Amino acid sequence: EADIYQTPRYLVIGTGKKITLECSQTMGHDKMYWYQQDPGMELHLIHYSYGVNSTEKGDLSSESTVSRIRTEHFPLTLESARPSHTSQYLCASGLGNTEAFFGQGTRLTVV
Amino acid sequence: DAKTTQPPSMDCAEGRAANLPCNHSTISGNEYVYWYRQIHSQGPQYIIHGLKNNETNEMASLIITEDRKSSTLILPHATLRDTAVYYCIADNQFYFGTGTSLTVIP
Repeated sequence: EADIYQTPRYLVIGTGKKITLECSQTMGHDKMYWYQQDPGMELHLIHYSYGVNSTEKGDLSSESTVSRIRTEHFPLTLESARPSHTSQYLCASGLGNTEAFFGQGTRLTVV
Repeated sequence: DAKTTQPPSMDCAEGRAANLPCNHSTISGNEYVYWYRQIHSQGPQYIIHGLKNNETNEMASLIITEDRKSSTLILPHATLRDTAVYYCIADNQFYFGTGTSLTVIP
């Protein structure tokens, strides 16, 4: 069982609000990832990090930002939520070339 | 972007082996091949990974061609619970492609 946690699990929020999705892991993993997935569709990598103070954008253009100030913490922030941001957001972490473990995901609905 | 190509869907009879192919012709020498599966919208579940040699664990076997340009995931005795979308990843950034939707038929 992987120790990677995402909060909240579900979030309904109004347009224009600022939100932060939390992702934490207690395994000391250096690599962390954020994915966005619409129902029945593929996972899109939106951000990744190879360590503290390292962040990169993935292949899907995203209006979100991330930070990696501590090894165990990789929060994702939307400055101004829009209905187009409604989706499931999945966080993952891994060590070196070993497998990545996924959290349970956050289902975001922007109304 | 994902560097893999997989068939969009496959069927397999329950109890038979499921062989899922993946092409990754642009894989680099230090990039591993990883396989995951996803059931409904749960977080993807790790299955197996390898670099050059064939690998086996309690879930599956991974066969990587000698030139490393393709691989096959083998589920030796498919069950109904193996119905899922299977993803092959062949890069160090962990880009997921479109995957293969495997349906195990009773």
